[in-house]
Amino acid sequence: QQQVKQSPQSLIVQKGGIPIINCAYENTAFDYFPWYQQFPGKGPALLIAIRPDVSEKKEGRFTISFNKSAKQFSLHIMDSQPGDSATYFCAARRQTGANNLFFGTGTRLTVIP
Amino acid sequence: DAGVIQSPRHEVTEMGQEVTLRCKPISGHNSLFWYRQTMMRGLELLIYFNNNVPIDDSGMPEDRFSAKMPNASFSTLKIQPSEPRDSAVYFCASTGPPRGKLFFGSGTQLSVL
Repeated sequence: QQQVKQSPQSLIVQKGGIPIINCAYENTAFDYFPWYQQFPGKGPALLIAIRPDVSEKKEGRFTISFNKSAKQFSLHIMDSQPGDSATYFCAARRQTGANNLFFGTGTRLTVIP
Repeated sequence: DAGVIQSPRHEVTEMGQEVTLRCKPISGHNSLFWYRQTMMRGLELLIYFNNNVPIDDSGMPEDRFSAKMPNASFSTLKIQPSEPRDSAVYFCASTGPPRGKLFFGSGTQLSVL
């Protein structure tokens, strides 16, 4: 059973556009929600993360929006660039106990010049 | 720091052969994870260790898969006998206290012919 559901599977935008990737979860014990970025031939790398006590977090051109009541969170990429073309994974981790992350299935983003 | 180091980067083997993947976590990290990535299933957690002890191996597909962590700086994932459906990218990742961010290695691309 997929603990974190991610959409869309793939996304193509023009340079300068604002791609949005969405994730949803069911387990209310999750308290840490990171996004990972993966380039071809590389391992995923942490991009940005949020905890449920805030509704938004920005780091440069990347923004996470978090809706605790809806159990949804999303990644927005402002002024997208061809160099942002990669696969993006959302994830979630429980507040206590196990230290492992549950990943979404990934979104392959292509930014066209 | 050199990051999480995996070897080999690529492995091509024939069905029925034994395959051993290796991982060196980041020094000081006390949790180590093995993930498998495929197009169909995304990133799947196979097993994770905390302080060298296996905590959750429920993601290991079947008895052909085994993992060990003899000390804090080394882990192996073994597949015996290998099958074509095991073809995937296998990632090792580590994290340290207090429940810090997850760092991935560059992965091992396994092809079983």
